[in-house]
Amino acid sequence: GAGVSQSPRYKVAKRGQDVALRCDPISGHVSLFWYQQALGQGPEFLTYFQNEAQLDKSGLPSDRFFAERPEGSVSTLKIQRTQQEDSAVYLCASSLLAGASYNEQFFGPGTRLTVL
Amino acid sequence: LAKTTQPISMDSYEGQEVNITCSHNNIATNDYITWYQQFPSQGPRFIIQGYKTKVTNEVASLFIPADRKSSTLSLPRVSLSDTAVYYCLAPGSARQLTFGSGTQLTVLP
Repeated sequence: GAGVSQSPRYKVAKRGQDVALRCDPISGHVSLFWYQQALGQGPEFLTYFQNEAQLDKSGLPSDRFFAERPEGSVSTLKIQRTQQEDSAVYLCASSLLAGASYNEQFFGPGTRLTVL
Repeated sequence: LAKTTQPISMDSYEGQEVNITCSHNNIATNDYITWYQQFPSQGPRFIIQGYKTKVTNEVASLFIPADRKSSTLSLPRVSLSDTAVYYCLAPGSARQLTFGSGTQLTVLP
């Protein structure tokens, strides 16, 4: 079956541009997570959705970052006025159940964002 | 906040058993322990999850002592393709999904 897909796989943006990253989770998965992974580091939590509700956005680094999942399936992470420090791989994961503990996450391949 | 600590790197040889230990001193009663594997340019992949004692699946075993303050991932008879970064998590909530730097396992021929 289809796994989690993300698009685009690579994105180059000039500093100050807005970008939108898309995540298609596994169909029927309740939970959706966004992570940011800098080079040589582990993924860092950004935000969590349970269906269409954004239950936790404590990891978003600034108000330039915005995420939505309006119909409880596809999600978009938007970064406004990109800065060089936003350069990273952005990972999306989905899981069948609600919550973060007893819940296997399925990750997409990530979107590598490079801000020039 | 169940922050985890694990070795930065480990080396092993093909065919050996590898044990990676993770400490999570502040784990809460309801928190599960989960291990992920990540290859370069890929998203992490679930390996195994447990709450207490021992869990085994087709790729690994997870040993958790009674106090649950640590856990050990055991990979039997590793091969070169097991070279990857391994992450231990014990989140109680989404904001506690801290992967840290993980353990870089290098399997040598």
